Amino acid sequence: EVPLVESGGDWVQPGGSLRLSCAASGFTFSNSWMNWVRHTPEKGLELLANMGPSETQKYYVDSVEGRFTISRDNAKNSLFLQMNSLRVEDTGVYYCVRDLEHGYYDYWGQGTLVIVSS
Amino acid sequence: IVVTQSPLFLPVTLGQPASISCKSSQTLVHSNGNTYLHWFQQRPGQPPRVLIYKVSYRASGVPDRFSGSGSGTDFTLRISRVEAEDVGIYYCMQGRDWQTFGQGTKVEIK
Repeated sequence: EVPLVESGGDWVQPGGSLRLSCAASGFTFSNSWMNWVRHTPEKGLELLANMGPSETQKYYVDSVEGRFTISRDNAKNSLFLQMNSLRVEDTGVYYCVRDLEHGYYDYWGQGTLVIVSS
Repeated sequence: IVVTQSPLFLPVTLGQPASISCKSSQTLVHSNGNTYLHWFQQRPGQPPRVLIYKVSYRASGVPDRFSGSGSGTDFTLRISRVEAEDVGIYYCMQGRDWQTFGQGTKVEIK
C-alpha cells in the first residue's frame, strides 16, 4: 500500500486555478505534519506549505503566500493544496510528504505534474 | 538559510567511495539542541526518499554503505562503495529555519 497518493495535476493557463489532493493511508494522518513540496526546473526542490494536525498551524513560503492554501480533512485522511493565480514559474511536480521532524520526510507521494502555460 | 552542495556533478567508479559536501549559510543547530540536516536520494523516475536524517541517522531500509557526518554548517554524505543502484540526484536539506534544499548532486557511473 502506497502511503501517499497525489492527484489533481493538470495543464492550466496563467492566472488559472487548480486544487491538488493527497490521499493518505497506513499511518495516523490526523497526528501528522504534512507538507507540499514541489520540484521545478528553476528552483529545484522547494517546500511550499506545511500544516500541523490543527487547522491553526499553516505556514507558507513567501512565493506562494496569498495564492496557495493548504488544508486537510482528517476524517478522510486527505491533504489539499488550492492554487490560485498560477504563474508559468509554478510549473513542476508537486509532492505530498509527511514531515516527522523539521524536514525528516519519511513518506513521499509519487508526485503530480502541474503545467502552467498559455 | 542557504544550503550549497558540491560538487553538482559526480562521476563515480563502481566499488569506489564517493562523498558530497553540503554547507549552510547559518548554523543548523536548533534551539532544542538537534541539528536538522537531512539527505535525500532521487533515483531516475522516482520521487526522492530520505537516506540520512539529523546529520547521521540512517533511515529505515538504507544500506550501511551510506553515512552522514558533520556539524554546525558543514556536512558530508559518504558512500563507502558505490553500486549501480546509487545513480541519481542527492539533495541535502536544512530544517532548522523553514526547510530549504541544496541544488542537488547528480551521481553517475564513469
